[in-house]
Amino acid sequence: GIQVEQSPPDLILQEGANSTLRCNFSDSVNNLQWFHQNPWGQLINLFYIPSGTKQNGRLSATTVATERYSLLYISSSQTTDSGVYFCAVGDYGQNFVFGPGTRLSVLP
Amino acid sequence: NAGVTQTPKFRILKIGQSMTLQCTQDMNHNYMYWYRQDPGMGLKLIYYSVGAGITDKGEVPNGYNVSRSTTEDFPLRLELAAPSQTSVYFCASSNTYTGELFFGEGSRLTVL
Repeated sequence: GIQVEQSPPDLILQEGANSTLRCNFSDSVNNLQWFHQNPWGQLINLFYIPSGTKQNGRLSATTVATERYSLLYISSSQTTDSGVYFCAVGDYGQNFVFGPGTRLSVLP
Repeated sequence: NAGVTQTPKFRILKIGQSMTLQCTQDMNHNYMYWYRQDPGMGLKLIYYSVGAGITDKGEVPNGYNVSRSTTEDFPLRLELAAPSQTSVYFCASSNTYTGELFFGEGSRLTVL
């Protein structure tokens, strides 16, 4: 099956700093999403991005499907960005594989 | 538009008790899923359904059962609860055409 890796596993930032999170996957996919799990445990959809680039405020994401990776950029980080960021990839049968996550801590 | 709704949000069970976690979605999605997330870990697929009347096992189905009598509802039943089933359970559904995945808010279950 598809393998998904995320890096780094942990990241500590000062408020205002920028960061890049990476998701690598081992096979062709037709679906890639980024989720933020906040400290209360809710899973928030950030981006549905099987290919290309999208931006939403301070966050943006790029997926290069041919090279099997996706990047999530967080600019001017805020304490509310803290939590775990998951990448999930889906095959053509809508079976999803989740990466292990990147745990982000933004310090005031 | 409520999206994916799970109930209850919290529950404490005694060993050997049974219960049903309810999940309903109002987006007319054919695909629905149940995941569990243990503390500090990622999500593991318990069961999924590709449409009414069709269900299949995921990675960790033991101790659970599901049914899918309608497009909207996908309840998860725990039989003979065990401490190993202490976890947070997430229901999800995916857009039939794009595959975009949407989660409910989660149900925190403790088995004592």
